[in-house]
Amino acid sequence: KAGVTQTPRYLIKTRGQQVTLSCSPISGHRSVSWYQQTPGQGLQFLFEYFSETQRNKGNFPGRFSGRQFSNSRSEMNVSTLELGDSALYLCASSFPLHPERTGELFFGEGSRLTVL
Amino acid sequence: GESVGLHLPTLSVQEGDNSIINCAYSNSASDYFIWYKQESGKGPQFIIDIRSNMDKRQGQRVTVLLNKTVKHLSLQIAATQPGDSAVYFCAENQGGKLIFGQGTELSVKP
Repeated sequence: KAGVTQTPRYLIKTRGQQVTLSCSPISGHRSVSWYQQTPGQGLQFLFEYFSETQRNKGNFPGRFSGRQFSNSRSEMNVSTLELGDSALYLCASSFPLHPERTGELFFGEGSRLTVL
Repeated sequence: GESVGLHLPTLSVQEGDNSIINCAYSNSASDYFIWYKQESGKGPQFIIDIRSNMDKRQGQRVTVLLNKTVKHLSLQIAATQPGDSAVYFCAENQGGKLIFGQGTELSVKP
């Protein structure tokens, strides 16, 4: 079974630009979560989508948004990029029907964003 | 300016020894806890989980202990191997969000 696939793996943007990251979950998984990983803040939850609906959201500004398609693939978008948005963005998929049972997440290798 | 990163706690063990990685969690209402392992250049990988109605759960070479009184989790790795070298994160499920700890870097000396 193929794992979680994230594209692109690396990208460089400049301040003020926007970026879209893509995630293909494991086949059959309906939940997709996004996390930001930085040396300063560690792993932080961005949002979770289930059946095309945002089911949970972390404490990030509105510049961070996402969506999920009917085939469970997900994208996240960051607009008006800031230097502090430089990070590894990780996507994870899982099956659980109920958020309280979310635990075993299958992570992709991440998209490393550098903002200059 | 220069960014200051988290100073990850580190644990250095000899190959074959047992490792114990500790974690304090924040929310006494959390009832589901998970350990993840992250190798360099990869995403986190699920190791083992435990629910709050349990004190201990064992997997293959790993054991998780939960002390709800002091809000403490530990991960024990038996007969640590070089392939266990990684950063280990505990996480707690808060209403469907996984809140991760800062991580501990485990280094295994051959």
